[in-house]
Amino acid sequence: TQLLEQSPQFLSIQEGENLTVYCNSSSVFSSLQWYRQEPGEGPVLLVTVVTGGEVKKLKRLTFQFGDARKDSSLHITAAQPGDTGLYLCAGYFTRTASKLTFGTGTRLQVTL
Amino acid sequence: GAGVSQSPSNKVTEKGKDVELRCDPISGHTALYWYRQSLGQGLEFLIYFQGNSAPDKSGLPSDRFSAERTGGSVSTLTIQRTQQEDSAVYLCASRPNTGELFFGEGSRLTVL
Repeated sequence: TQLLEQSPQFLSIQEGENLTVYCNSSSVFSSLQWYRQEPGEGPVLLVTVVTGGEVKKLKRLTFQFGDARKDSSLHITAAQPGDTGLYLCAGYFTRTASKLTFGTGTRLQVTL
Repeated sequence: GAGVSQSPSNKVTEKGKDVELRCDPISGHTALYWYRQSLGQGLEFLIYFQGNSAPDKSGLPSDRFSAERTGGSVSTLTIQRTQQEDSAVYLCASRPNTGELFFGEGSRLTVL
């Protein structure tokens, strides 16, 4: 069974602070995605990473894929209240995999 | 419609009753997924369809759970003899040949 562990589980910070969320697995990912989910809605894709060591930026969000493709991180610079939500990593474990396995989730709350 | 549509959005039922949850995927998306989410946690994989067939149903928690997909489109998740531990948000997602999952808003099931 492939498991994705995220840390921290919950994060409460003030506007303007920086934060990093981690996603770890004991198995190698073929590719990894990050989603954000707001209350009452389904998750929405933020980014897909495929290559070990890859770094992608989306405005104030920076995503990194570990060299060994077993871990990933999401860094948010100068967090804003609009960043509040549940952040989920999700991975395909083989190139032909159909099953997308989701992580345990990190709930972020950004206050004024 | 433009997105994934799920119904009902909310369902309250009594223990022991059967429930059906419906998912209308995005037109043309070949893959369809069902996930379960409890208390804003991570997503638990239930079943995956490619067309009308289900090559991976490994996440169905018991034989009380079943799902079908007809015409390569609409899918129904059926839970028989519901139990209180079945209470959760059931999320459906569709996917084109590769890439991201597009989620519906979910069906919130409460078993009394």
